[in-house]
Amino acid sequence: EAQVTQNPRYLITVTGKKLTVTCSQNMNHEYMSWYRQDPGLGLRQIYYSMNVEVTDKGDVPEGYKVSRKEKRNFPLILESPSPNQTSLYFCASSPYGGAPPRGYTFGSGTRLTVV
Amino acid sequence: QKEVEQNSGPLSVPEGAIASLNCTYSDRGSQSFFWYRQYSGKSPELIMSIYSNGDKEDGRFTAQLNKASQYVSLLIRDSQPSDSATYLCAVLMYSGGGADGLTFGKGTHLIIQP
Repeated sequence: EAQVTQNPRYLITVTGKKLTVTCSQNMNHEYMSWYRQDPGLGLRQIYYSMNVEVTDKGDVPEGYKVSRKEKRNFPLILESPSPNQTSLYFCASSPYGGAPPRGYTFGSGTRLTVV
Repeated sequence: QKEVEQNSGPLSVPEGAIASLNCTYSDRGSQSFFWYRQYSGKSPELIMSIYSNGDKEDGRFTAQLNKASQYVSLLIRDSQPSDSATYLCAVLMYSGGGADGLTFGKGTHLIIQP
């Protein structure tokens, strides 16, 4: 089944403790992206990658890191999480940077709470 | 700043009526447009994509695009309670390096009243 798999689905952590949210896709998509979703603010792009070893900042990159060493994986790294990074996170992939007809395929989401 | 604007709602519509959702975008160079449906706590799922001016129909859903007015809309006919969700408008934007991915509006919360 074609899918984007995120792990974990839920995570509660403490301020300053480094964490990684994994994202993997099995569709051979070149484009992958991370979004965070907050009430009243909608989906905001954190980082995206147009191909292996090619990453770029989105609208809200501060406090996050990413890497794209293989086509299928695009982990999101929070080196020193803070409470303002409490959010619902989505990974998405696309063959052509979000182009139609499918746009993005989204993962199931990771609900992160930083206390 | 490239923006996508939606009325946050809630938009309340009686069951069986037509729900009309609207979206405007700021980047005149945008080429492709999407409507996603999102249930609370779940991931967005694609309903429609459109990239030519005019209407595109798929079952009970019709997407309408007017590039001159920078306006996209989604009509849901014969609304059902299961249509109650947040509807996200997304626009594919480009920079010099190629596709920048999708920019999303904040979503319209739709409530279908039985």
